[in-house]
Amino acid sequence: QLVLTQSPSASASLGASVKLTCTLSSGHSSYAIAWHQQQPEKGPRYLMKLNSDGSHSKGDGIPDRFSGSSSGAERYLTISSLQSEDEADYYCQTWGTGIPDVVFGGGTKLTVL
Amino acid sequence: QVQLQESGPGQVKSSETLSLTCTVSGGSISSYYWSWIRQPPGKGLEWIGYIYYSGSTNYNPSLKSRVTISVDTSKNQFSLKLTSVTAADTAVYYCARMGSHAPAAWGQGTLVTVSS
Repeated sequence: QLVLTQSPSASASLGASVKLTCTLSSGHSSYAIAWHQQQPEKGPRYLMKLNSDGSHSKGDGIPDRFSGSSSGAERYLTISSLQSEDEADYYCQTWGTGIPDVVFGGGTKLTVL
Repeated sequence: QVQLQESGPGQVKSSETLSLTCTVSGGSISSYYWSWIRQPPGKGLEWIGYIYYSGSTNYNPSLKSRVTISVDTSKNQFSLKLTSVTAADTAVYYCARMGSHAPAAWGQGTLVTVSS
């Protein structure tokens, strides 16, 4: 079964960097994912698509501070030079094969200290 | 730049049918997949299903028996119907345009409360 696992929370200081992790279930380590950001009281926003080789393509207007990387079954979102507006929930999302179902991770709540 | 706007009743009675419409502006509904996604209060995102502009659909297996998504290309809209709702269906409902298997443009969402 295709499952994405995220830590419920993370924190980092203003101006620092943070690396969020999304782990694909066993047997799915080659899958690409997408990252989405949801600021408080707002709808989600697409950040990027991240492939298993670490290559990624960002959505329109996404700052260079946001980048992605991959290692095995893990997919990472790194945010550098943290700003207060980066405090948000971050969701990873993937899709199955064939006529694919869409799967979301449980989300990570990022606190900027 | 494409924009999506959900519309529909903010309150639905238990056991009745939830109906929402997503109006797409700034672009054509043709040549894309379009999704419905929901988020219960304080919880994470749950994919409901998607439709291609031609009408082919795919639904979340956990909701499949109660969900119908349809498209009206003449109005640049697509719609969601969820039957036999319960309190567990209370959520913010988002529509989205899919790009490379991911929601790439999201609506602002609309809260639907199921009341008894």
